[in-house]
Amino acid sequence: AQSVTQLDSHVSVSEGTPVLLRCNYSSSYSPSLFWYVQHPNKGLQLLLKYTSAATLVKGINGFEAEFKKSETSFHLTKPSAHMSDAAEYFCVVHYNFNKFYFGSGTKLNVKP
Amino acid sequence: DVKVTQSSRYLVKRTGEKVFLECVQDMDHENMFWYRQDPGLGLRLIYFSYDVKMKEKGDIPEGYSVSREKKERFSLILESASTNQTSMYLCASRLKMTSYSGTGDEQYFGPGTRLTVT
Repeated sequence: AQSVTQLDSHVSVSEGTPVLLRCNYSSSYSPSLFWYVQHPNKGLQLLLKYTSAATLVKGINGFEAEFKKSETSFHLTKPSAHMSDAAEYFCVVHYNFNKFYFGSGTKLNVKP
Repeated sequence: DVKVTQSSRYLVKRTGEKVFLECVQDMDHENMFWYRQDPGLGLRLIYFSYDVKMKEKGDIPEGYSVSREKKERFSLILESASTNQTSMYLCASRLKMTSYSGTGDEQYFGPGTRLTVT
């Protein structure tokens, strides 16, 4: 069965420190992988996507993610957190047809 | 930029009412989706449309129906609203399906409609 797991439901960091949001997936195929961000009462905005090209993917707002097939992981990182990064982040895996699997989300809190 | 709009940001309806949620995209996308989002449950697919007048049930279609008469518009219908349908509803669109393997065609989301059924 296909699935995606976000390992932390909440992450809290101080402004200016690195961010790590973890995502693991299970797959029998080569998936496409996405990270989305959702600010309160807003829709989901695409941060970045992996589509079997470079394993290190750069996205908007300084975020990047590395696809590691051996670990079936696609963790999201940012070198230095900003207050505006406080939001909920979703890891999404697309295997085929119309099936997008959403992680349960990680809420990022950024302390001043 | 792709723009996906939803007819209402907030909606309050009474139990038993028929409710229409409208979604419009402006980029000629073939695929459109309706999800509901609930705390602790993430996003769950209600219905999917891969082209005009074409639809498929998602994971939780019970109590919902959809309509896609024009390519840019995808409507979600609650035939008889119930309190357990109180939720955030998100519409999304995607260019099209191209293959069975991951295509990298991302979804674009609307701002959401927060529906409360009393």
